[in-house]
Amino acid sequence: DIQLTQSPSFLSASVGDRVTITCRASQGISSYLAWYLQKPGKAPKLLIYDASTLQSGVPSRFSGSGSGTEFTLTISSLQPEDFATYYCQQLNSYPYTFGQGTKLEIK
Amino acid sequence: QVQLVESGGGVVQPGTSLRLSCATSGFTFRSYGMHWVRQAPGKGLEWVAVIWFDGSNKVYGDSVKGRFTISRDDFRNTVDLQMNSLRAEDTATYYCARVVGGNGWSGGRLDPWGQGTLVTVSS
Repeated sequence: DIQLTQSPSFLSASVGDRVTITCRASQGISSYLAWYLQKPGKAPKLLIYDASTLQSGVPSRFSGSGSGTEFTLTISSLQPEDFATYYCQQLNSYPYTFGQGTKLEIK
Repeated sequence: QVQLVESGGGVVQPGTSLRLSCATSGFTFRSYGMHWVRQAPGKGLEWVAVIWFDGSNKVYGDSVKGRFTISRDDFRNTVDLQMNSLRAEDTATYYCARVVGGNGWSGGRLDPWGQGTLVTVSS
């Protein structure tokens, strides 16, 4: 199985900050990576797919990059509604594993 | 708009069975593969199973293989998850999600997700 490791697991930041979350795969997954945001008690919501394609309706402050084994999610200027948990998922091969999550908290 | 609504969760004893259902609307169901993903309380996401758009292939996560069965009904636009021999570690919120893009074996993305249904396995 492909393991995904996100870093950091916890991140404390302020409104307006630029933040970056990294997702590393245990083996190459081409660009078959998606990023999701999850708020407490809610279902995950798709932000980015194919490593760098912004899902329709998602604000442009979100961006993704990478291929192979290293990927990043960047939020250019944090907004209050961005404080949540973020997950990466590989869709290269089954089982479609997820990273352990990154909880983004308000400083 | 596209909607996915899970049902069937509840509290059950270890060793028993439960059947979850995901009702869909707002899209051509028979054209899309469907996934189940679960999340134990306070934990991360765990991929569970997938069924191809035409039902031709099904793949399961190792932790549920041989116990869970995914199926679809293209007349009722539903995808089900039959869960047998339930264990305490199956306690989780179960989400169904549509897969968009890809070729079934790789690629695509899960969008949207249902609101989830909670399964609690406890004696």
